[in-house]
Amino acid sequence: SQQGEEDPQALSIQEGENATMNCSYKTSINNLQWYRQNSGRGLVHLILIRSNEREKHSGRLRVTLDTSKKSSSLLITASRAADTASYFCATDANTGNQFYFGTGTSLTVIP
Amino acid sequence: NAGVMQNPRHLVRRRGQEARLRCSPMKGHSHVYWYRQLPEEGLKFMVYLQKENIIDESGMPKERFSAEFPKEGPSILRIQQVVRGDSAAYFCASSPASNLEQYFGPGTRLTVT
Repeated sequence: SQQGEEDPQALSIQEGENATMNCSYKTSINNLQWYRQNSGRGLVHLILIRSNEREKHSGRLRVTLDTSKKSSSLLITASRAADTASYFCATDANTGNQFYFGTGTSLTVIP
Repeated sequence: NAGVMQNPRHLVRRRGQEARLRCSPMKGHSHVYWYRQLPEEGLKFMVYLQKENIIDESGMPKERFSAEFPKEGPSILRIQQVVRGDSAAYFCASSPASNLEQYFGPGTRLTVT
């Protein structure tokens, strides 16, 4: 299965600290995306990184992609309580028809 | 520009009944994806549609499930003769083209009693 795997499954940090989540996948991709889901809500797109990119920034978010290791990381700097959510990576198959979501990392930021 | 709309937000059905879930994509988006999410799990791809066409239904069970995206109106995910195992959150997403970021609706939570 191409399904991405996030690591760790759950993460609890103090407000102000940085949070790092990792995603590994199995086959070649065109792009990888990170999404956030608040409890009981739909997913919100955070960042898309293409296979020929190595790093991308958006505000307090930094995403890296290592295609040789088939892995990506999402770093949230200076975390806030409002960052508490589940974070998912999604990878596409080369056909681009499907996106495969991992099981997510549950992040809790303690005020 | 309204986001992706899904209705109903919550749906309760008894075993054997039919469930109809609706999804209106964002304006200008002709690609619709349906996903299912079980509690504490990630999203599982079900089906990918463009207007009037099913492009990829490899994630959708062959029996009891069907999807459509007509020329006019919302995309419909239909589950016939629901069973308890169909209880889940069903999310739809839309995008302006394939292989781009998807915009998700708030989901429909289906409970089968």
